[in-house]
Amino acid sequence: SYELTQPPSVSVSPGQTARITCSGDALPKKYAYWYQQKSGQAPVLVIYEDSKRPSGIPERFSGSSSGTMATLTISGAQVEDEADYYCYSTDSSGIIWGVFGGGTKLTVL
Amino acid sequence: EVQLVQSGAEVKKPGESLKISCKGSGYSFTSYWIGWVRQMPGKGLEWMGIIYPGDSDTRYSPSFQGQVTISADKSISTAYLQWSSLKASDTAMYYCARLDEAAAGTDYWGQGTLVTVSS
Repeated sequence: SYELTQPPSVSVSPGQTARITCSGDALPKKYAYWYQQKSGQAPVLVIYEDSKRPSGIPERFSGSSSGTMATLTISGAQVEDEADYYCYSTDSSGIIWGVFGGGTKLTVL
Repeated sequence: EVQLVQSGAEVKKPGESLKISCKGSGYSFTSYWIGWVRQMPGKGLEWMGIIYPGDSDTRYSPSFQGQVTISADKSISTAYLQWSSLKASDTAMYYCARLDEAAAGTDYWGQGTLVTVSS
């Protein structure tokens, strides 16, 4: 079955740039989505279609994709950005729904 | 404003049945796929299945096929997730989420329904 691989954890100091990666064989052909999940809350979409930002999401959140890797970048990470981040994409099989990466715990301190 | 509002937390015993709901508003409920996602305690997100309320086309993840039933009542813009016989291992948070227009990802999520199954 298709898998998306994320690092389990990333740690930065406030104001630094955090980069979270997601690797998957179908990413050259399929969009990546990114979700932020703070403790005890529902996931929130922060990046869609590789690099687009929904309204209301701070500009410090950006996304990119190259080859088999998608990257979520948080420029000038803030304490309130501490959360679990999940990537999501579909594979090439034609099934409508996709798979989530295992999640990355971002620590900002 | 698009909203998905889920039913409240449930505490059940093993073997009992359960149906939880997800009511959509602020958009054409029949025009977007709705999916259900499980999150077990301390774990990641897992797709369970999806439904297109317009024609009730339903697809299940192989891991959940036969374990749950997904349905929708378009007259009240509500999707459902149902168990006929709960197990302790069904204890989890369950989210509904709307797939976007391209069905390439989800854009809106419900607040989640916590299901606890314990004797």
